[in-house]
Amino acid sequence: QVQLRESGPGLVKPSQTLSLTCTVSGDSISSGGHYWSWIRQPPGKGLEWIGYVYYSGKTYYTPSLKSRLTISVDTSKNQFSLKLSSVTAADTAVYYCAREVLPAASDKYYFDSWGQGAQVTVSS
Amino acid sequence: DIQMTQSPSSLSASIGDRVTIACRASQSISNFLNWYQEKPGEAPKVLLYAASNLQSGVPARFSGSGSGTDFTLTISSLQPEDFATYYCQQSYNAPKTFGQGTKVEIK
Repeated sequence: QVQLRESGPGLVKPSQTLSLTCTVSGDSISSGGHYWSWIRQPPGKGLEWIGYVYYSGKTYYTPSLKSRLTISVDTSKNQFSLKLSSVTAADTAVYYCAREVLPAASDKYYFDSWGQGAQVTVSS
Repeated sequence: DIQMTQSPSSLSASIGDRVTIACRASQSISNFLNWYQEKPGEAPKVLLYAASNLQSGVPARFSGSGSGTDFTLTISSLQPEDFATYYCQQSYNAPKTFGQGTKVEIK
């Protein structure tokens, strides 16, 4: 059974860079076929998809964060990472990593596995 | 970006009630629509994918329908463990977008 686990600092100062890593077990990122995403949830609010990375390194970022965002993959460590620069209080959220899969006999992706979430607070 | 709008934002219901949550897309997304359940302190969990396909292990009281722009999640008989927040999400194209959520509370 696949498991994802987020790790990284829980407190980041304004204007600095937020960095998180997602470690995957029970599946190999390099096997392909799945997309690996970051999703966040500000306090008391809904879910916001941030972006994804494919095993090849191909990425897609949500337009509102694109100028500050880098998502990368390290297949040797079976990890993918998020870096968000120039953070403000608006970036305070629980950050989830998730696997997006394509079920057999279907062309419709969905998020089937999620990490437990990492609380990141932006504050001086 | 495709905007997803859920209604209602919250509802109160009793055990055994039939509950319906609506989700509307700002453009046609065929049946590229997924439903998730989120409980406090837990990660979201997929209930249905491709609008009407029940994820393995999800109780049959959950069902989904719709195509194009209008979709529905139905819980046929609400159980205590179903009190949670429900989100729809489109997978038609990136950026993947979620509805704002519907909180199901105990009446």
